[in-house]
Amino acid sequence: ETGVTQTPRHLVMGMTNKKSLKCEQHLGHNAMYWYKQSAKKPLELMFVYSLEERVENNSVPSRFSPECPNSSHLFLHLHTLQPEDSALYLCASSQDASGTSGMGEQFFGPGTRLTVL
Amino acid sequence: GNSVTQMEGPVTLSEEAFLTINCTYTATGYPSLFWYVQYPGEGLQLLLKATKADDKGSNKGFEATYRKETTSFHLEKGSVQVSDSAVYFCALTNAGNNRKLIWGLGTSLAVNP
Repeated sequence: ETGVTQTPRHLVMGMTNKKSLKCEQHLGHNAMYWYKQSAKKPLELMFVYSLEERVENNSVPSRFSPECPNSSHLFLHLHTLQPEDSALYLCASSQDASGTSGMGEQFFGPGTRLTVL
Repeated sequence: GNSVTQMEGPVTLSEEAFLTINCTYTATGYPSLFWYVQYPGEGLQLLLKATKADDKGSNKGFEATYRKETTSFHLEKGSVQVSDSAVYFCALTNAGNNRKLIWGLGTSLAVNP
């Protein structure tokens, strides 16, 4: 496997279910991200982990719970979601270089298409 | 604050036509500028980038020039192919905080044979 992988690719869940999204990066990066992509809206940055520590949480509801057990893996745990949470959830990674030239090059996985019924 | 404005799509072209997708930005300091592409059913991929004024990023026949005087980073390709059908995103980061990419809304391109 190379790059950034995400599983599952598609997920349908009811509002009372609990599920988890998984992301794995094989690039040796030290920062990982969760984004939400909805139609007709800019990409929304949800969470950022750098060196396995959460460094940003952009006012995301608590029904989304991230976990980063090591620098290669990132999870998004989901519970009691709402239909408006239906979207494409993208994981990305980068080599965190804050304080230097700020290249911003992030590598994305293919996403998990989530549908909440 | 920082922001990115892209032309609204969808853009529909015939194969071998010339492509321009406009992107303008608002930013403090000296941002780095990017174009990402998302092919159907896939995640985003970096297409090209430029880190300082007058730099030209290029890849796969696409080009964009960092124009500080007009705060623009328009994407161009001289002859599009059906395989270029995708959504194109303009984005920026400011130096010192490469975690936060500021995104445009994306422009959908459909190329017909």
